[in-house]
Amino acid sequence: GDSVTQMEGPVTLSEEAFLTINCTYTATGYPSLFWYVQYPGEGLQLLLKATKADDKGSNKGFEATYRKETTSFHLEKGSVQVSDSAVYFCAPLILGKLIFGQGTELSVKP
Amino acid sequence: DTAVSQTPKYLVTQMGNDKSIKCEQNLGHDTMYWYKQDSKKFLKIMFSYNNKELIINETVPNRFSPKSPDKAHLNLHINSLELGDSAVYFCASSQGSGPGNTIYFGEGSWLTVV
Repeated sequence: GDSVTQMEGPVTLSEEAFLTINCTYTATGYPSLFWYVQYPGEGLQLLLKATKADDKGSNKGFEATYRKETTSFHLEKGSVQVSDSAVYFCAPLILGKLIFGQGTELSVKP
Repeated sequence: DTAVSQTPKYLVTQMGNDKSIKCEQNLGHDTMYWYKQDSKKFLKIMFSYNNKELIINETVPNRFSPKSPDKAHLNLHINSLELGDSAVYFCASSQGSGPGNTIYFGEGSWLTVV
């Protein structure tokens, strides 16, 4: 069935470090791909999206590229800040449903 | 000006009670959803409505009954609450349900059953 595998957390980084959170998915067809972020005690916010192969989504310094050949959508940021501490969710949109990964908790230390 | 708003944000109630969570969106979208996030932060869709019609029902116990009085509102009623219903419930909306549509979430409703 359709599924998403995300990098296990928690991920702990120092401020200004480079971030990669891996995401791979299994799905029929070519779904749109999303990253959502959940800050502590808050709701889900859309971070970025990509709708077709080789598209790059970007927002707030975060980027992810739709890789059809590896069915991946890895999230990257060149220099993280303490304020980026949150849980990050990868999710393809399949038949009208977002299929979420288990979430990756990121903790950024000053 | 909140796009998807849900009330209440926090709800603590006893087992066996019946409770409702309300959701409204002012984005002009025609599709609305309920998602559940469990204690391990795992998120799963429960229901989806398009123009007040149910289109997705993901094997949710029939104690959960969504109601969409119009396309801007999707309420969730839960009967005979159980301890395992404790979770965060997210309402969401989108314009259509096809590929490429973006789903926008509310702030969540934290339900604790004691």
